[in-house]
Amino acid sequence: EAGVVQSPRYKIIEKKQPVAFWCNPISGHNTLYWYLQNLGQGPELLIRYENEEAVDDSQLPKDRFSAERLKGVDSTLKIQPAELGDSAVYLCASSIGGATNTGELFFGEGSRLTVL
Amino acid sequence: KQEVTQIPAALSVPEGENLVLNCSFTDSAIYNLQWFRQDPGKGLTSLLLIQSSQREQTSGRLNASLDKSSGRSTLYIAASQPGDSATYLCALNSGNTPLVFGKGTRLSVIA
Repeated sequence: EAGVVQSPRYKIIEKKQPVAFWCNPISGHNTLYWYLQNLGQGPELLIRYENEEAVDDSQLPKDRFSAERLKGVDSTLKIQPAELGDSAVYLCASSIGGATNTGELFFGEGSRLTVL
Repeated sequence: KQEVTQIPAALSVPEGENLVLNCSFTDSAIYNLQWFRQDPGKGLTSLLLIQSSQREQTSGRLNASLDKSSGRSTLYIAASQPGDSATYLCALNSGNTPLVFGKGTRLSVIA
């Protein structure tokens, strides 16, 4: 069975440029998460989807970040415009249930962003 | 607000040693605790999931324990191997709040 798939694995852009990351969760997983991981830190949640609904986006910087999961499967995370401080690894995860469920989280390989 | 602390931040041991990684948390009202492994430049691999009603879980050479009353979890690795070298993170699910991660313990097993 395929795991969580993310692309691109690496992206280098200049500041003020836009960037988008794509995630395909494990088949049958209704919950999808986007996490941000800075070097030497644990991941921090940006947004959580239950099917196509964003149920927790309180940590998403909405002035420049946006996300969508239109058909309740794949998801895209966009940054526009990117800033130097956005350089980090963007991780996607999925689970069978929501945060109140005792389901296990499965992560993708991540997308490493470097903003110059 | 849940806070998760992992000690030590880094650990270096010779091959074959048994070792314990520690994870402490401030709020004992949790649904589950999950241990992950992260190799450099890679995503997180789930190792063990302990439900709040459980005391421990085992998988191969790994054993994770959970003591909610003291706010602690440990990950025990038996007979360590160089391939165990990675960063180990614990994360807590407290319900309608984001999964909270510690900063991890960077383990090096020396051959």
